[in-house]
Amino acid sequence: SYELTQPSSVSVSPGQTARITCSGDVLAKKYARWFQQKPGQAPVLVIYKDSERPSGIPERFSGSSSGTTVTLTISGAQVEDEADYYCYSAADNNQVFGGGTKLTVL
Amino acid sequence: EVQLVESGGGLVQPGGSLRLSCAASGFTFSSYSMNWVRQAPGKGLEWVSYISSSSSTIYYADSVKGRFTISRDNAKNSLYLQMNSLRAEDTAVYYCARDSTLKRWGQGTLVTVSS
Repeated sequence: SYELTQPSSVSVSPGQTARITCSGDVLAKKYARWFQQKPGQAPVLVIYKDSERPSGIPERFSGSSSGTTVTLTISGAQVEDEADYYCYSAADNNQVFGGGTKLTVL
Repeated sequence: EVQLVESGGGLVQPGGSLRLSCAASGFTFSSYSMNWVRQAPGKGLEWVSYISSSSSTIYYADSVKGRFTISRDNAKNSLYLQMNSLRAEDTAVYYCARDSTLKRWGQGTLVTVSS
């Protein structure tokens, strides 16, 4: 099995850029996805294939990849973006989520 | 509209069993692989199991291997998770999620393992 490592928390002021990283050896050969989860709700896919944005996700959400690290960037973070964010990747029969990052926007 | 509705959660004693169901609608269920993902109270997401559209390929997380069994009935548009030998650490909200993209999720069903 493998692991994905995220910071436990990130804090920004409204309008600033939030960056959340996710690191793991598997990311050098497999795509990552990012999920947003607000309290009491199911996760929502916000980025797939490292940098693709599903329809309906605001353009301020973007993703990038470099080596064994992927980054979720929220440009001009808004109060409603405050949530937990999880990276995810799958390789063969191993599928794993990162530990999650609590994004605070205030 | 794509809908996934989990059911079957509840309180069970350690060592007991429970069967979760996920009813799918709004898409051709038989064409999609499915997953179970869980989240312990106040904790992060944990992938549990995967089943291909035809049930020919099945994977489990090491934490549940040998105790949980995933299955599906394409005629009934339903996904199942049979959970045996339950432990306190299996307490979680269990979500079903569609295919390898995990783009569609149900709202989850709570399983509590406690005496």
